[in-house]
Parts: sequence; structure tokens; C-alpha cells
Amino acid sequence: NAGVTQTPKFQVLKTGQSMTLQCAQDMNHEYMSWYRQDPGMGLRLIHYSVGAGITDQGEVPNGYNVSRSTTEDFPLRLLSAAPSQTSVYFCASSSGQGDSWEQYFGPGTRLTVT
Amino acid sequence: LAKTTQPISMDSYEGQEVNITCSHNNIATNDYITWYQQFPSQGPRFIIQGYKTKVTNEVASLFIPADRKSSTLSLPRVSLSDTAVYYCLVASTGTASKLTFGTGTRLQVTL
Repeated sequence: NAGVTQTPKFQVLKTGQSMTLQCAQDMNHEYMSWYRQDPGMGLRLIHYSVGAGITDQGEVPNGYNVSRSTTEDFPLRLLSAAPSQTSVYFCASSSGQGDSWEQYFGPGTRLTVT
Repeated sequence: LAKTTQPISMDSYEGQEVNITCSHNNIATNDYITWYQQFPSQGPRFIIQGYKTKVTNEVASLFIPADRKSSTLSLPRVSLSDTAVYYCLVASTGTASKLTFGTGTRLQVTL
């Protein structure tokens, strides 16, 4: 099991550019989420999904789009990058079954917008 | 979801027991308490979760009093490798995909 994988690990964008952060999991988890973490801060939820074809907004969704066409993949798209989106982005997945709140996190993508 | 309050930072010497207390005064009947650990440049890692009384696993113990308005994460005999940020979260059924992370407690372990 590779767990949760994210690509790329690092990315530099110019203001106004768009790009997609990739996230995949091989644990057959229904629940997937995207968080961003700014320096010295906790994680903030961007978007989440409770299953293929179902997505919803989190705490800070503006400027980001998501889709969930398969159980395995949950890409995050930056529509028009802004310096305020400079952050580390984490993808996470969980089974969502029973009373387990164990989320498995990917290694993160460090994004810099200039 | 109930808001949590925990100390910003703590210091400990290697080999000591560390207790990190989290306050969650508005916890609801169906809410669970869960703790995560995060090392620099890594995603958070699940440590433990509980509903009431005491839960223990190979890494830590979680103490929850009867009123459930607080909880204490106990790390026995910490080592330098336990230096990390520890997050206390409150979660309810159906929120597994949208956990709310605060700023956490930064634990520094020294010799």
C-alpha cells in the first residue's frame, strides 16, 4: 500500500497561472479532504468529499475547485493563483466507517506563488 | 463542532511523562475526542481517540473525565523524537472528512 500520494512535492507558480494538485489513495477510502497549512498555523479545510461524485466546501474554498470522479483520486485545482495561496497543501483520506476519525495524510505539496 | 483550547507550547526533558490538556467546553453528546501529531514538513498522524474514561494504545493514553469538557493526552517517557505539534480535535459522526485543526501544542523535548 502506498497510502496517500501527492504530486508534485514542490511547485512555483506566477500570479494568475492555474494548476492541479494531484492526490491519490489506494486504501479504498470513501472520504477524502484537502487542507492548507500556512507557516505556524494549523490546517484549514478547503474541500472534502464523502464519495465519488460528491464534494463539498470546507472552511476556505475560494479560489479552488475539486472533483471526485473515482474513489481513488481527488485533484485540487487552483483557478488563478494568487500570492495568498502560498502554502503547504495536504490531502487526506479516511474510511469514514463507524466511529473512526483516523485520517491518513499525504506528504504535502509546497506551493509558492510569486 | 466544539471549539478546543490547548496550550501553545510545552517543554520537557527526555524520559519524562508529558501531559497535554485540551479544553472543549461545548462538546456534544455524540462527539469524540481525537489527537493528532505533526512533525515539521509532514502531514498530521493520528495518535488516539476516545469518548470517555481512559483509552490507551502503544503510543499514548487519553484521559477523559466524566463531564467530558476536557481531555488529557499523556505521553510516557518522551524522547527527542516526540518533539512535534499535537492537535486536539472534537469530531462527531459524519465529520471524518472535515476535521477542524487548531494551532495545536508545540512540544519541545530536550536532553
